[in-house]
Amino acid sequence: DIQMTQSPFSLSASVGDRVTITCRASQSISIYLNWYQQKPGKAPKLLIYSASILQTGVPSRFSGSGSGTDFTLTISNLQPEDFATYFCQQSYSTPRAFGQGTKVEIK
Amino acid sequence: QVQLQESGPGLVKPSETLSLTCSVSGGSINYNYCSWIRQPAGKGLEWIGRFSATGSSNYNPSLKTRVTMSVDTSKTQFSLKLNSVTAADTAVYFCAREIVVANDWYLDVWGRGTLVTVSS
Repeated sequence: DIQMTQSPFSLSASVGDRVTITCRASQSISIYLNWYQQKPGKAPKLLIYSASILQTGVPSRFSGSGSGTDFTLTISNLQPEDFATYFCQQSYSTPRAFGQGTKVEIK
Repeated sequence: QVQLQESGPGLVKPSETLSLTCSVSGGSINYNYCSWIRQPAGKGLEWIGRFSATGSSNYNPSLKTRVTMSVDTSKTQFSLKLNSVTAADTAVYFCAREIVVANDWYLDVWGRGTLVTVSS
């Protein structure tokens, strides 16, 4: 089974900052990596699929990159509504696996 | 616009069976999968498995011996059964549509989730 490891576990940032979250797979998953945003008490929301493709309606300040085992999610110009927890997920094989999440908090 | 809604008992006794339904409205997921994911309070997401309208399934090996998924004949209600539950199965349970585009799969529509507590 493929394991996903995210870092950092949490981070503090200010509005307007650029934030980068990393996700590493235990084996190559090509570009089959998705990113989700979750706010307290809500279901996760798809942000990016295929490592770098923005889901419809997601602001362009979100971007994703990477392939193989190493991936990044970048949020440019952090906005108040971006404070949330972010999860990566591999869709290369089953069982699907999520990273443990990265909580982005207000500094 | 497809919408999903989980329903089922919010309290289950230890050793009994957890049963949830995911109702599909506003469209169909006939060519996709209904996936189940759970999240204990304050923790991460755990993939339980997925089931298609045609009967294909994949389960998490860690839960496989206790999980059963199915779909009704109308293909609008997917179900999850988890037997022999313990307190460790207490979580918010989500259903989500997993679709495929150009060989890549992703969870694009989620239900709101339902809290299931295992307690006597």
